Amino acid sequence: KAGVTQTPRYLIKTRGQQVTLSCSPISGHRSVSWYQQTPGQGLQFLFEYFSETQRNKGNFPGRFSGRQFSNSRSEMNVSTLELGDSALYLCASSSGTSGTDTQYFGPGTRLTVL
Amino acid sequence: GIQVEQSPPDLILQEGANSTLRCNFSDSVNNLQWFHQNPWGQLINLFYIPSGTKQNGRLSATTVATERYSLLYISSSQTTDSGVYFCAVLNYGGATNKLIFGTGTLLAVQP
Repeated sequence: KAGVTQTPRYLIKTRGQQVTLSCSPISGHRSVSWYQQTPGQGLQFLFEYFSETQRNKGNFPGRFSGRQFSNSRSEMNVSTLELGDSALYLCASSSGTSGTDTQYFGPGTRLTVL
Repeated sequence: GIQVEQSPPDLILQEGANSTLRCNFSDSVNNLQWFHQNPWGQLINLFYIPSGTKQNGRLSATTVATERYSLLYISSSQTTDSGVYFCAVLNYGGATNKLIFGTGTLLAVQP
């Protein structure tokens, strides 16, 4: 089975721009979660999508949004980028039906905001 | 919400040494996973272990759910074991897959 894929792997943007990141989960998995990792805040939950519906959202401003498509692929968007949005963005894939299944992470997208 | 604490925060070992990493959590959990973050940032699954003991080669893990802690053992460490080790937990009561991560243990294995 192919693993979780994320594109692009690296991005450089300037303040005020917007960015879209993509995550393709493992085949058959219906849950995709997004996390932000920064040196100061560690790994923080952004949101989770399950069967095209947002099931939970972390404590991030409305500039962070996401969606999930019928094939379970997910995108997250950050509008009006700020310097503090520079981070590693990771997505996780799981079946999502019980919470007791293993979550698998993609390689991440490293975003730099200048 | 659930709090997750990992110790020690940093660890330096000589190649061949053994180590124990600890993860304490503040509430009951349905899911506990250990990850190794490689130098490129990817989180590699080590164990899914909400309770009990598992072993995989030189690595083993034990979770005592009733006492709310988990241990990761690394034996005969190698330089490739270097990196950050994270413990993450989930309480599915709210029908969510939100993992709560500890702050990690940074392991450096010297040749």
